[in-house]
Amino acid sequence: AQKVTQAQTEISVVEKEDVTLDCVYETRDTTYYLFWYKQPPSGELVFLIRRNSFDEQNEISGRYSWNFQKSTSSFNFTITASQVVDSAVYFCALLMIKAAGNKLTFGGGTRVLVKP
Amino acid sequence: DAGVTQSPTHLIKTRGQQVTLRCSPKSGHDTVSWYQQALGQGPQFIFQYYEEEERQRGNFPDRFSGHQFPNYSSELNVNALLLGDSALYLCASSTPSYNSPLHFGNGTRLTVT
Repeated sequence: AQKVTQAQTEISVVEKEDVTLDCVYETRDTTYYLFWYKQPPSGELVFLIRRNSFDEQNEISGRYSWNFQKSTSSFNFTITASQVVDSAVYFCALLMIKAAGNKLTFGGGTRVLVKP
Repeated sequence: DAGVTQSPTHLIKTRGQQVTLRCSPKSGHDTVSWYQQALGQGPQFIFQYYEEEERQRGNFPDRFSGHQFPNYSSELNVNALLLGDSALYLCASSTPSYNSPLHFGNGTRLTVT
């Protein structure tokens, strides 16, 4: 069975500080995808980034960066120079590649509050 | 380019009643998934529809059923509502590709009293 754990329930920072969100996952499969989604108060889940299990290269996209370490089953996400608009709940999700369907398993989410 | 649209946005029902939620996928998408998100928790997968058939199902009872229409829109039906069914119901659309990112709607907030 697959599982995603986000140990941080809430993080509060002051604008311009960096924020790192932790994500640990469990799976027996060797091929999978990992995602980060953002959920603002409006409720819509917004896709941020995707990484497959074969590519551990860490990248930066604008103010977002991620650290994928297969050896520790972690997929951490960093927002650099946070802004008030970054305030939202962030979800890490795991996609198991099956013959049919692309079901996502989500973590419990981390609420980020960026204060001006 | 319209994204995923869901209706209604809010709904209040009484225990034992039945409810139908609706979803129109993003243009170009033909696969629709439904998720239940209880307050303060992550979304839980209910089921996914492709080519008008249920392709995959999560751990939800048979009270939860769905349908996909030829225009790819979808409905989620819940019978014999329980208080525990109160949640935000999210619809997501994608292409059939297994690694296609899901695009979510704003959800329907269901309250069961």
